[in-house]
Amino acid sequence: EPEVTQTPSHQVTQMGQEVILRCVPISNHLYFYWYRQILGQKVEFLVSFYNNEISEKSEIFDDQFSVERPDGSNFTLKIRSTKLEDSAMYFCASRRGNLLRVGTEAFFGQGTRLTVV
Amino acid sequence: DQQVKQNSPSLSVQEGRISILNCDYTNSMFDYFLWYKKYPAEGPTFLISISSIKDKNEDGRFTVFLNKSAKHLSLHIVPSQPGDSAVYFCAASAPIQGAQKLVFGQGTRLTINP
Repeated sequence: EPEVTQTPSHQVTQMGQEVILRCVPISNHLYFYWYRQILGQKVEFLVSFYNNEISEKSEIFDDQFSVERPDGSNFTLKIRSTKLEDSAMYFCASRRGNLLRVGTEAFFGQGTRLTVV
Repeated sequence: DQQVKQNSPSLSVQEGRISILNCDYTNSMFDYFLWYKKYPAEGPTFLISISSIKDKNEDGRFTVFLNKSAKHLSLHIVPSQPGDSAVYFCAASAPIQGAQKLVFGQGTRLTINP
């Protein structure tokens, strides 16, 4: 069964450093997302990406964050200068088509645990 | 901004009995609702969904009920099995152009006791 894969599974970084979280979405999917979950809190939307551009972003997704789909298969989230409060589980997700059609639900990767020290 | 709420942080059910997980929402623009299951150190796994044009959707042991007037949905699992022990997230989406993000509730930790 196709799946969304994320690397690395765990990343420890020093405050102020740049990190890149990588995702390989399911190959025939068109919509891509990053979500995050701070420990003990709910899963929060960060950004959505469709047709090679950002579709929507949340208030969390400030100028320190960027996304890219550099080669048609990878989907990356970059945090330019990490802060302690960026420590969270980051999930990539992808979806095939319009949500109202059966079989187009979002599939999530296993997550990258980012720890900023 | 708690557009999707799961008011029970945890639920404990005997194996073989019915588990009922509840979710309330406030945004009347939501028209698609999903339940995800999450094990520790894994990503959310899709379980079942329902469109706002329906009031019930069933898939094996899982049934989702939607009450639009009450802005309430529930997930029924029957019979409950030990492998169902996980955190369950309710999520909702509104029909905007573009990528239709999901708004998640806080999750309910379900424990199935043998």
